[in-house]
Amino acid sequence: EVQLQQSGPELQRPGASVKLSCKASGYTFTEYYMYWVKQRPKQGLELIGRIDPEDCSTDYVEKFKNKATLTADTSSNTAYMQLSSLTSEDTATYFCARGYNSGYPMDAWGQGASVTVSS
Amino acid sequence: DIQMTQSPSSLSVSLGDNVTFTCEASENIYGFLAWYQQKLGKAPKLLIYGATNLEDGVPTRFSGSGSWTNYSLTISSLEPEDIATYYCQNNHVYPPTFGAGTKLELK
Repeated sequence: EVQLQQSGPELQRPGASVKLSCKASGYTFTEYYMYWVKQRPKQGLELIGRIDPEDCSTDYVEKFKNKATLTADTSSNTAYMQLSSLTSEDTATYFCARGYNSGYPMDAWGQGASVTVSS
Repeated sequence: DIQMTQSPSSLSVSLGDNVTFTCEASENIYGFLAWYQQKLGKAPKLLIYGATNLEDGVPTRFSGSGSWTNYSLTISSLEPEDIATYYCQNNHVYPPTFGAGTKLELK
């Protein structure tokens, strides 16, 4: 069974950084992109970017290029996303999701990780 | 980036209804269109890919259609568990952009 298990909720101060994790199981980690998606409270889904765990190449949506850093550890089948210089605009639930390749949908999702930024 | 426009943004429905909502891409996406269902507090779930292909395990009351820039999702005989928000997504080119969603609400 394919599973993406995300880390727990985070409460952070403005200006801090946070690193979220997404542990994959049930498939070959290096055969699928890992996408990260942001969802602000009562809002829609917004793509942040993706990482190819095979070579750790990354693609970011422009608005997140200075906000998010995607990494992957093939020894533990875990993808990570670090968010820097947190503001209230970063308060959201963040999902990881796998996708086979460009042209393919995101067919498995993590349960989501809540990040709250508050002083 | 390809813009995805969903309509309506919300829909008031009754159990047993046949429901259709639409998604329009800002350019031809050649059928590379996915639909996701998101229930409150949960992760999105893939329903349909390639505009018309039902993901394994998804009930057959869900169906997708469309081509070029215009796509639709139909739910036949709405069940209580179908109350959710539905998102379309462009899979043709990176980035895979989402529509803003259609939220189903019970009358």
